[in-house]
Amino acid sequence: QKEVEQNSGPLSVPEGAIASLNCTYSDRGSQSFFWYRQYSGKSPELIMSIYSNGDKEDGRFTAQLNKASQYVSLLIRDSQPSDSATYLCAVNQAGTALIFGKGTTLSVSS
Amino acid sequence: ETGVTQSPTHLIKTRGQQVTLRCSSQSGHNTVSWYQQALGQGPQFIFQYYREEENGRGNFPPRFSGLQFPNYSSELNVNALELDDSALYLCASSTQDRSYEQYFGPGTRLTVT
Repeated sequence: QKEVEQNSGPLSVPEGAIASLNCTYSDRGSQSFFWYRQYSGKSPELIMSIYSNGDKEDGRFTAQLNKASQYVSLLIRDSQPSDSATYLCAVNQAGTALIFGKGTTLSVSS
Repeated sequence: ETGVTQSPTHLIKTRGQQVTLRCSSQSGHNTVSWYQQALGQGPQFIFQYYREEENGRGNFPPRFSGLQFPNYSSELNVNALELDDSALYLCASSTQDRSYEQYFGPGTRLTVT
């Protein structure tokens, strides 16, 4: 059973702080890794993709991948109240399906 | 660039009925995937369509079926609805060479009573 695990939260951070979201996956053959943001009542929005070990930065977002530890993380710098949402980690094993975690709820207080 | 669209937005059905949900892929995308998202859960893969054929299927019973049309739009059909089918149904489109990079539509909220 391929699994993706996330801490459900809620993760609460003050405005301007760094939010750190973590994800582990069970299938060592996984090749592609994604972070989606989902606002309440809306559909998931792709915000980051990462395919190789190391860090990938895009604006205030940094994705980190460690395949040896089967670990993916998302850092959000200078967190804003508008970042308050559920963050979904998704993994693909060179197949068709994305396997999602249950998501971590982030709350940024002003 | 036109994004993924889905219809209807909301739907209420009775147990045992049948339902059809529709999806139009993002312009330039030829692959469509369907997911079911129950409340408080991550999306679960139902199936994917490419070139009008099913290209992968998750752990869903045969009463979940689909179609893809020549213009890459797609339908999800669910027969003999059960209460547990109540969920947000998400369509995602992608290109076949990057089928793992999927962009979601707004979803259809299905309630089965």
